[in-house]
Amino acid sequence: QKEVEQDPGPLSVPEGAIVSLNCTYSNSAFQYFMWYRQYSRKGPELLMYTYSSGNKEDGRFTAQVDKSSKYISLFIRDSQPSDSATYLCAMSAGEYGNKLVFGAGTILRVKS
Amino acid sequence: GAVVSQHPSWVICKSGTSVKIECRSLDFQATTMFWYRQFPKQSLMLMATSNEGSKATYEQGVEKDKFLINHASLTLSTLTVTSAHPEDSSFYICSGDPPGQGGGYTFGSGTRLTVV
Repeated sequence: QKEVEQDPGPLSVPEGAIVSLNCTYSNSAFQYFMWYRQYSRKGPELLMYTYSSGNKEDGRFTAQVDKSSKYISLFIRDSQPSDSATYLCAMSAGEYGNKLVFGAGTILRVKS
Repeated sequence: GAVVSQHPSWVICKSGTSVKIECRSLDFQATTMFWYRQFPKQSLMLMATSNEGSKATYEQGVEKDKFLINHASLTLSTLTVTSAHPEDSSFYICSGDPPGQGGGYTFGSGTRLTVV
């Protein structure tokens, strides 16, 4: 069993839809949780980061962490064609100098 | 936000030659930097963790003599692929962990290496 599980998709939605991306994990030591967006042939871009359980909102993006269920989510409201990319969840046990463990990435396609 | 600059973005080299990839943190001091490799349609695979002024820590299965990492200053880490072969062709990405990002790394733009 992988430490972090993420459905690779692809996930195809119409423009304006609400997108839900999810990851589950098995290591209870993880405390820091992130979401990255990666366009083809580019390095990943940090979208959201959260510490421990709870919600965090930034514009059209909302990140949720439920440590009791070992489950994290990223919601994208009013999705745009420019949101089409691969979304990677990542997590670590500490804040500095710690390895990030990545999910496999979910390919998202937003159709106009 | 924090910026990591990676060069070159694309390189083609002949089999048997060596290639150096540079990774610079432009607006923060990176005590630790991380090097990843990514195959098409796959997630990132951590190759090694480089620490300023000390030897890098390589992940299991990564040949330290083939992938030489040097982290000579707080803003520069380099990865040298020695005696490159076609199977080394891949997308290499570096990252640093700047303060204020809750453990989130900032990644470089990546280097696409093609060995012919």
